Amino acid sequence: AQTVTQSQPEMSVQEAETVTLSCTYDTSESDYYLFWYKQPPSRQMILVIRQEAYKQQNATENRFSVNFQKAAKSFSLKISDSQLGDAAMYFCAYRYPYGGSQGNLIFGKGTKLSVKP
Amino acid sequence: DAGVIQSPRHEVTEMGQEVTLRCKPISGHDYLFWYRQTMMRGLELLIYFNNNVPIDDSGMPEDRFSAKMPNASFSTLKIQPSEPRDSAVYFCASSLSWGQRVVNTEAFFGQGTRLTVV
Repeated sequence: AQTVTQSQPEMSVQEAETVTLSCTYDTSESDYYLFWYKQPPSRQMILVIRQEAYKQQNATENRFSVNFQKAAKSFSLKISDSQLGDAAMYFCAYRYPYGGSQGNLIFGKGTKLSVKP
Repeated sequence: DAGVIQSPRHEVTEMGQEVTLRCKPISGHDYLFWYRQTMMRGLELLIYFNNNVPIDDSGMPEDRFSAKMPNASFSTLKIQPSEPRDSAVYFCASSLSWGQRVVNTEAFFGQGTRLTVV
């Protein structure tokens, strides 16, 4: 069964600095999707970034980028120029792309990010 | 589209009472998920549907929990009887697939229902 592990329960970063959140996963599949979701205090789950396993290029969305290491099964999120609004829980998630009985999203336990002014 | 709509936003009920949570997925989405979030266990998948058919309900804690999806635009999660340990935030999410391959693979989440059982 696929698993997603986030080893950092909490992280802290100074405003305007860069922080990296770690995620590892376990799967026997070669094709899959990985995601980072943000959950601010409002509790709304917001998609931050998505990576397709067959693409070697790391995904980037403005200040958010990933370091996808397929062989190591590692998928870290880098937040550059951190802002106070980035303070939230961040969840790493995995999804098998072919739906059916394996079509669910599997989440890690989350990392709580604090941003200091 | 208004996104995934869940109701109610908050529910406080007494132990032993029946609780029904409701979800309207994004129009056209064919996957629907129910998750439960607690501090201790994080986000747990309870059940998910594909084309209104339950695919995996192995995450449903026990027989007190049941979920239905009578049509493509509505799903319910029912707890009967409710217990204090059921207190959590319950999320509904939906996503879209295209034939045999899941496209737009991210799930879109509702605002969640915070359930408190006293």
